[in-house]
Amino acid sequence: AQSVTQPDIHITVSEGASLELRCNYSYGATPYLFWYVQSPGQGLQLLLKYFSGDTLVQGIKGFEAEFKRSQSSFNLRKPSVHWSDAAEYFCAARRATNKLIFGTGTLLAVQP
Amino acid sequence: DVKVTQSSRYLVKRTGEKVFLECVQDMDHENMFWYRQDPGLGLRLIYFSYDVKMKEKGDIPEGYSVSREKKERFSLILESASTNQTSMYLCASSFKGGANTGELFFGEGSRLTVL
Repeated sequence: AQSVTQPDIHITVSEGASLELRCNYSYGATPYLFWYVQSPGQGLQLLLKYFSGDTLVQGIKGFEAEFKRSQSSFNLRKPSVHWSDAAEYFCAARRATNKLIFGTGTLLAVQP
Repeated sequence: DVKVTQSSRYLVKRTGEKVFLECVQDMDHENMFWYRQDPGLGLRLIYFSYDVKMKEKGDIPEGYSVSREKKERFSLILESASTNQTSMYLCASSFKGGANTGELFFGEGSRLTVL
């Protein structure tokens, strides 16, 4: 079955440190891949998306993600984390039925 | 900016009550979705709609129904609320092609507690 896996439930980083959130997918073909962010008490907001072409995609708020077909991964990165980045992050993929399937989320805490 | 408004941020209901969760979007989006968000389970699709009066089941439709009488409004109905429906409910919308691109716009959520 098609699935999206986020192996890290909770991550804590220090402000100014780099960040990498992991996402793995299982699909026969290259899916459309997305990262969403949910700030406390808010709905989800699209950070970035990958459809095809350049495997390194840039998003909003200084985030980027790299698609690696050989590893079935689409990891989210940021070189320097800010306290306002504390939130829950969801990886998602578009299924063959044109619906999105979401991972279980990674909760990011930022230490001062 | 696209705005997706969910009428109730917090609701407390009793087992067996009929519950209505309302969602309105102001960007003339064709597609609307209802998701349920639970810790450790991520977001799961309950129902979605690609047009007025059109609906399709998602992954967990049992115990829910929906109504889309107008393009801008998509309602989620719990006919007889049960305690296992205590959850955060998220409404989302997108342009017709948006469902394919994955660019969904979400409301702030409705946290439902069923006692």
